[in-house]
Amino acid sequence: QKEVEQNSGPLSVPEGAIASLNCTYSDRVSQSFFWYRQYSGKSPELIMSIYSNGDKEDGRFTAQLNKASQYVSLLIRDSQPSDSATYLCAVVLTGGGNKLTFGTGTQLKVEL
Amino acid sequence: GAGVSQSPRYKVTKRGQDVALRCDPISGHVSLYWYRQALGQGPEFLTYFNYEAQQDKSGLPNDRFSAERPEGSISTLTIQRTEQRDSAMYRCASSLAGGAGSIEQYFGPGTRLTVT
Repeated sequence: QKEVEQNSGPLSVPEGAIASLNCTYSDRVSQSFFWYRQYSGKSPELIMSIYSNGDKEDGRFTAQLNKASQYVSLLIRDSQPSDSATYLCAVVLTGGGNKLTFGTGTQLKVEL
Repeated sequence: GAGVSQSPRYKVTKRGQDVALRCDPISGHVSLYWYRQALGQGPEFLTYFNYEAQQDKSGLPNDRFSAERPEGSISTLTIQRTEQRDSAMYRCASSLAGGAGSIEQYFGPGTRLTVT
């Protein structure tokens, strides 16, 4: 089992819809979770961090964390073509200091 | 303010040569991280520093790879006797500190290394 798992996609959603991106992780004790957006040929850009169970909202983005089920998700409301990118889930695993362990990323395509 | 910068942005080198990749973190950021990213994959951890102290080098693939951050600011990742398998995007990130709430990491543009 990989430490951080994501579906590679592509996930296609129509413009204006809600995009739901999911990530599961293996370490039950992990405390810190991040979502990065990476456009093709660009570097990862931090869009959300979440540390506590529940929802965290920032504009059109909502991160959801469920530590008991070991998953973290990212919802993008009113999806726009400019949201088309690869979304990387990153976790700080126990005993790893503050280094990030990334999933392989989910490619999101928002279609007109 | 200025983000993380890396140089060179592109480096082509011949097999067997040494290369040095440079990272300049966001001003005031205590922690600096090196990652390597293959196409279609997430970044993979190499090593990180708090100030000038190397805290973890468990991700360095072998002893040809080394890193330093002598004054707690700019860092250099050095690859000796490069091999074709070293070809990748090398990314640097920095965070304000190591404590909870300030560990968000911000990435630089990366250095694309090609070993011929």
